[in-house]
Formats: sequence, structure tokens, C-alpha cells
Amino acid sequence: QVQLVQSGAEVKKPGASVKVSCKASGYTFTGYYIHWVRQAPGQGLEWMGLINAYSGGTNYAQTFQGRVTVTRDTSVSTAYMELSSLRSDDTAVYYCARPRTTVTHDVFDIWGQGTMVTVSS
Amino acid sequence: EIVLTQSPGTLSLSPGERATLSCRASQSVTSIYLAWYQQKPGRAPRLLIYSTSSRATGIPDRFSGSGSGTDFTLTISRLEPEDFAVYYCHQYGRSHTFGPGTKVDIK
Repeated sequence: QVQLVQSGAEVKKPGASVKVSCKASGYTFTGYYIHWVRQAPGQGLEWMGLINAYSGGTNYAQTFQGRVTVTRDTSVSTAYMELSSLRSDDTAVYYCARPRTTVTHDVFDIWGQGTMVTVSS
Repeated sequence: EIVLTQSPGTLSLSPGERATLSCRASQSVTSIYLAWYQQKPGRAPRLLIYSTSSRATGIPDRFSGSGSGTDFTLTISRLEPEDFAVYYCHQYGRSHTFGPGTKVDIK
């Protein structure tokens, strides 16, 4: 079945970087975008950015410009999200998500299980 | 950026009752680009409705969506015990933004 499996929880110090992976299976990885969405404890959902898994092209939310980098490795059907200069308010669950179809603008119908990133000194 | 506002923040209802959730956008959203998700504690969001009124695969018909322009509604016709959760609206026409959520809890 179609699924996204993310890497495990991380604890980082302020100022460090974190890299979260998202391994896809059950579909043609290069046929879809992969998006990243985060959710701070008790808060709502915040879109961070996307990658075109075929071309590698990216688009980031302005809030994260300069701090987030999304990449992919097609040989292992895996997308990565790296967030740098971590602050305590980056503590959140980070999700990868796949759109319902291959069109540019679509909803997210497949989600990873989430990766908890804790930023604490 | 399109800002989405949801009301009420919390809706306290009993099983079998009807739930009506509102999502208001700061500017007009093309109806094909408005969705709703359900999220339970410790779980990823689950897609319920896309394009304002289309149910996602496997979603029961007690869930329905409507609206246009800046005002959209998710209706749950008869609440089942598994429907008590947080619901988010999502616009995906101009970048992506989510509403702050409406919690539906048991009265």
C-alpha cells in the first residue's frame, strides 16, 4: 500500500540543524510532489515547503526561507527536510505528505507518521 | 497570504447530533482548492473533503462540505463516537494555509 515512513524523534540544541527523512513506498516516487508540514504542541498545521520528486525543484514558505532545505534521493525513494538555526519554537511534529494526484495544486491524502523534533538546551 | 479562520473554536455535542463547522478566508478561495481534515491525538491528519464538497476515498456520507468565495462549511450529519476530534480547513490554491482548527468534543 501507499505509505510514507519518517525517521525517528530527534532532540537538538538551539542553533543546531535537524534532518528528517521520509521514505515512500507503494507508488512511483518521482510521479508526485512531497510536502512538509509541521505542528507545534497543541497548535495547528503549518506548511513549510515542497519538492518535485521528479525534477528536484523546491518551493518554500516565506516563514522558513533561508532556514529550510528539502531534497530527495530518487534511488531510495526518500525525501529529506533539513531545518537549520533551530530555536525552541521549532519544537514540533514534522510531517511529510503526498498530494492526492500529480497536479501542482492538490490536497494531501497520504501522510507520514510524523517526527517529533525537540529543541532544548 | 490567505488567512483561514475557523469557528467555533470548540463545539460540544452529543453522539447523534449534527455538527456544523465554519471556515472563513481572508480573500476569495476558488472552491476546487478548499479541503477539510480530521485529526485525532497523536495521529496525522486524515483527508475528509477536497474541492469544497468531494469526499475522499472511504469517508462516510455523514460528512459533507459546502460553500464558496470566503465562507465554507463542514457538516457532520449525525456524530458517531469516532468523530470527536479536531477539524482543519486547508486552502491549496495559493500556496498552502490551514485554519486553526475546531475541536469537536463530547458534551
